[in-house]
Amino acid sequence: EPEVTQTPSHQVTQMGQEVILRCVPISNHLYFYWYRQILGQKVEFLVSFYNNEISEKSEIFDDQFSVERPDGSNFTLKIRSTKLEDSAMYFCASSEVKGAGELFFGEGSRLTVL
Amino acid sequence: KNQVEQSPQSLIILEGKNCTLQCNYTVSPFSNLRWYKQDTGRGPVSLTIMTFSENTKSNGRYTATLDADTKQSSLHITASQLSDSASYICVVSVDSGGYQKVTFGTGTKLQVIP
Repeated sequence: EPEVTQTPSHQVTQMGQEVILRCVPISNHLYFYWYRQILGQKVEFLVSFYNNEISEKSEIFDDQFSVERPDGSNFTLKIRSTKLEDSAMYFCASSEVKGAGELFFGEGSRLTVL
Repeated sequence: KNQVEQSPQSLIILEGKNCTLQCNYTVSPFSNLRWYKQDTGRGPVSLTIMTFSENTKSNGRYTATLDADTKQSSLHITASQLSDSASYICVVSVDSGGYQKVTFGTGTKLQVIP
């Protein structure tokens, strides 16, 4: 069964360092998303991406964040200068179609900022 | 403001028993409602998805209901198993012209004990 894959599964970094989280969405999907979940809290929307551009972003997704689809398969989230409060589980998701289409999540990348 | 509230926050039941989880939402305009199961430290996995016209959907021992008039949904788990221990998240979508804008509920943490 096709799945969304994310790497790394866990990354520990020092405050102020740049981090890139990678995602490989399901191959025929067109819409891509990043979410985050701080430990013990609910999942929060960060950004949606379609046709090589950001469709929408939340207030969390400030200038420190960026997304890119560098090739036909990868979808990356970059945090330019990490802060302690960026420590969270980051989930990538993708969907094939509009509206009521299934939203598939990856297993997540756990980011710990020290 | 779009909100999704779930109850109870946590629940402990004996193996083999049934349980019902609740979700109330104020999301508008409504597109669809999903229930996800999230094991600790892992990505959410879809259980059911319902659009406006559907009021019940089953997936094995999971049955979701939707009342779009009262903006309420429930997830009923029948004959619970130890592997059902997880967080169950209600997710409501707005169709924003193609991509899915979703609001996550806070989740219900279910623990099934022998």
